[in-house]
Amino acid sequence: EAQVTQNPRYLITVTGKKLTVTCSQNMNHEYMSWYRQDPGLGLRQIYYSMNVEVTDKGDVPEGYKVSRKEKRNFPLILESPSPNQTSLYFCASRRTAAEKLFFGSGTQLSVL
Amino acid sequence: GDSVTQMEGPVTLSEEAFLTINCTYTATGYPSLFWYVQYPGEGLQLLLKATKADDKGSNKGFEATYRKETTSFHLEKGSVQVSDSAVYFCALSFSGTYKYIFGTGTRLKVLA
Repeated sequence: EAQVTQNPRYLITVTGKKLTVTCSQNMNHEYMSWYRQDPGLGLRQIYYSMNVEVTDKGDVPEGYKVSRKEKRNFPLILESPSPNQTSLYFCASRRTAAEKLFFGSGTQLSVL
Repeated sequence: GDSVTQMEGPVTLSEEAFLTINCTYTATGYPSLFWYVQYPGEGLQLLLKATKADDKGSNKGFEATYRKETTSFHLEKGSVQVSDSAVYFCALSFSGTYKYIFGTGTRLKVLA
């Protein structure tokens, strides 16, 4: 089954404690991206990757890092989380530009 | 810059009522347009799309027509069901780029 898998689904942490949210897709998609969803703001893109070792900033990259060492994986790293990064995070992938996005189920992050 | 504007929610309807969710866009060029739906606790999934002016996308009783003259892509359904309760996102994307722009989402609640 074609899918994007994110882990964990829920995460509560404290300010400054490094964390990683994993994302994996099994569709051999070149393009992957991370979004955060906040009430009244919709989805905002954090980072995206067009292929292995190729990443670029989205609209709200501050405080986040990503890596793309393999085609299927695209982890999101928060080196020093802060409360304003409390949000619902989604990983997504697609085959080519302007095609539909496949989304993971989301990670609800709370930073205390 | 490019943007998508959706009507604010929440929209509350009785079962079998007619649904319209407005979406307008601003874009330099000719984007593809999408409607995504997010059911509670899940990631977004594609509902329908249209790739050029006057195209009509349809799926599960929902329809939207790409109107270039009014830069709109309004979502409609003739008779909503309780199971249609979800958040609906309008989005645009350009072929040849990796940019995807989402609206802020419109929450729909359908009462039995």
